[in-house]
Amino acid sequence: AQSVTQLDSQVPVFEEAPVELRCNYSSSVSVYLFWYVQYPNQGLQLLLKYLSGSTLVESINGFEAEFNKSQTSFHLWKPSVHISDTAEYFCAVSKIQGAQKLVFGQGTRLTINP
Amino acid sequence: SQTIHQWPATLVQPVGSPLSLECTVEGTSNPNLYWYRQAAGRGLQLLFYSVGIGQISSEVPQNLSASRPQDRQFILSSKKLLLSDSGFYLCAWSLTFYEQYFGPGTRLTVT
Repeated sequence: AQSVTQLDSQVPVFEEAPVELRCNYSSSVSVYLFWYVQYPNQGLQLLLKYLSGSTLVESINGFEAEFNKSQTSFHLWKPSVHISDTAEYFCAVSKIQGAQKLVFGQGTRLTINP
Repeated sequence: SQTIHQWPATLVQPVGSPLSLECTVEGTSNPNLYWYRQAAGRGLQLLFYSVGIGQISSEVPQNLSASRPQDRQFILSSKKLLLSDSGFYLCAWSLTFYEQYFGPGTRLTVT
């Protein structure tokens, strides 16, 4: 079975500061990795995904994540955050073969202070 | 384009009462459908998923059930609600299982 650990439940940062949200996973088989974002009182949206190829993936709003197989991590970061990035961020994993579902982490609440 | 609807948006129900939450998807055919529950501070828990009409997989033993009477309709039910059923219920659909599209959610409070 797969599992995901998000190491920080809350991360407060100041606007225009860099931020890193940490995600570690556990799996005995190869996996796909994802970050989803949930803005207040909304459903989740896919932010970025790693399926294959380059281990560094980017989103359209400036977030990046890097798949590190040796450390079983998929940390998310952004060099300069904006107030509009305030949201809850979920890391998720699925096995590659025969998978039909995602396993989500507990979420990290990112709060941006002016 | 595809859209996903959930209703009601909010619901307050007494303990022991029945529950029916509905989710419908427009603009796609034969989607995978999912029900999640999000409790405060506990992340996202997959409750049920369905890969076709009448095909339901249950992830967590509980007093909830799910049905898929039509291709793009997914219903979450309970005969008798418990206090622990309170939470934010999210429906999602996907064609590739990993890129899931979520509805706006239903906030259920059991009193």
